[in-house]
Amino acid sequence: AQKVTQAQTEISVVEKEDVTLDCVYETRDTTYYLFWYKQPPSGELVFLIRRNSFDEQNEISGRYSWNFQKSTSSFNFTITASQVVDSAVYFCALSDTDNTDKLIFGTGTRLQVFP
Amino acid sequence: DSGVTQTPKHLITATGQRVTLRCSPRSGDLSVYWYQQSLDQGLQFLIQYYNGEERAKGNILERFSAQQFPDLHSELNLSSLELGDSALYFCASSTGGTGVYEQYFGPGTRLTVT
Repeated sequence: AQKVTQAQTEISVVEKEDVTLDCVYETRDTTYYLFWYKQPPSGELVFLIRRNSFDEQNEISGRYSWNFQKSTSSFNFTITASQVVDSAVYFCALSDTDNTDKLIFGTGTRLQVFP
Repeated sequence: DSGVTQTPKHLITATGQRVTLRCSPRSGDLSVYWYQQSLDQGLQFLIQYYNGEERAKGNILERFSAQQFPDLHSELNLSSLELGDSALYFCASSTGGTGVYEQYFGPGTRLTVT
């Protein structure tokens, strides 16, 4: 069965600190996709990244970076020099390639960035 | 703005009632998904439609049903509502077809059952 674990329920940092959000996944499929979404206080879910299981290269987008390690089934998300606007709940999600591309979400990590 | 629209934004109704949530996907997207977000269950997949046909069902109650119309908008019908149905209901869309694509979410409909 597929499962996503985000063990960190809540993280608090001060602005300009770096912070890493952990994501561990379980799947028996060899082909799968991993995602990160951001849910700010306004409530919408904002797509951040999609990564397929064959691409283990790390990705950087501005202050955001993602570290994908198949050996540990992890897909961690780092925010460098955090800002107050980064305060949100962040969800990691998994999708395999059976007949549906439904997303299986983790429980989310609430990040609070204080000025 | 994701391009996915959902109406209404908020809905307050009583137990036993029936409501309809509406979703319009991004232009060009053929797949529509419905998710429920509650404190108890987190974010859970309910159902997916692709180009008018049901593609997959998740943990959707029998009291709930959905459809996707020829213009690709979708409706989620919730009937015989219970207090536990109070949640944020999201619609998402993607280009669909074969493969796995990023899903773009609408702003959600917050349902409160009293």
